[in-house]
Amino acid sequence: KAGVTQTPRYLIKTRGQQVTLSCSPISGHRSVSWYQQTPGQGLQFLFEYFSETQRNKGNFPGRFSGRQFSNSRSEMNVSTLELGDSALYLCASSLVGLAGAALGEQYFGPGTRLTVT
Amino acid sequence: AQSVTQLGSHVSVSEGALVLLRCNYSSSVPPYLFWYVQYPNQGLQLLLKYTSAATLVKGINGFEAEFKKSETSFHLTKPSAHMSDAAEYFCAVSDLAGNQFYFGTGTSLTVIP
Repeated sequence: KAGVTQTPRYLIKTRGQQVTLSCSPISGHRSVSWYQQTPGQGLQFLFEYFSETQRNKGNFPGRFSGRQFSNSRSEMNVSTLELGDSALYLCASSLVGLAGAALGEQYFGPGTRLTVT
Repeated sequence: AQSVTQLGSHVSVSEGALVLLRCNYSSSVPPYLFWYVQYPNQGLQLLLKYTSAATLVKGINGFEAEFKKSETSFHLTKPSAHMSDAAEYFCAVSDLAGNQFYFGTGTSLTVIP
């Protein structure tokens, strides 16, 4: 079974631009979460989507947004990029039961390395 | 909200020595607990997980962790470190619904030959 895939793997943007990152979860996984990883800050939770709905949200400004499609693929968007947005963005998927609760661990993609200059 | 504390952002051990990475969680109800490993330029890979079955959990690559409710701890150990164990290790806890995961800040493990 294919793992979580993220595209692109590397991205260089300029301050003020916007960026869209894509994540394809493992087949059958309907919950997708996004994290920002920076040195010293560890993994910061951005948001979690299930059934095309954002269920949980971390403490990030409104410039960070996301969505999930009917096939569970997810995108996150960052508008008006700032230097501090340079980070590794990780996507993780998990299997969920009928009630929507995760049935186990999260599986991570390789991440998208975003550099803002 | 739950939280996870990993004591020691950097740990160095000699090859063949015991590896001990500490993790404490804050939760009034035993949660689900996980240890992940991250190698450079890669995503996180699950080492092991605790989901209220046996308190001593065995994972991949010879790692194991023991859930101690009285100490709210879930420390990761490996009897003998190998050079290939050098990586970043993250402890994580999820809520009972398992929909949101909380990660520690990570511990960078260096193995000295």
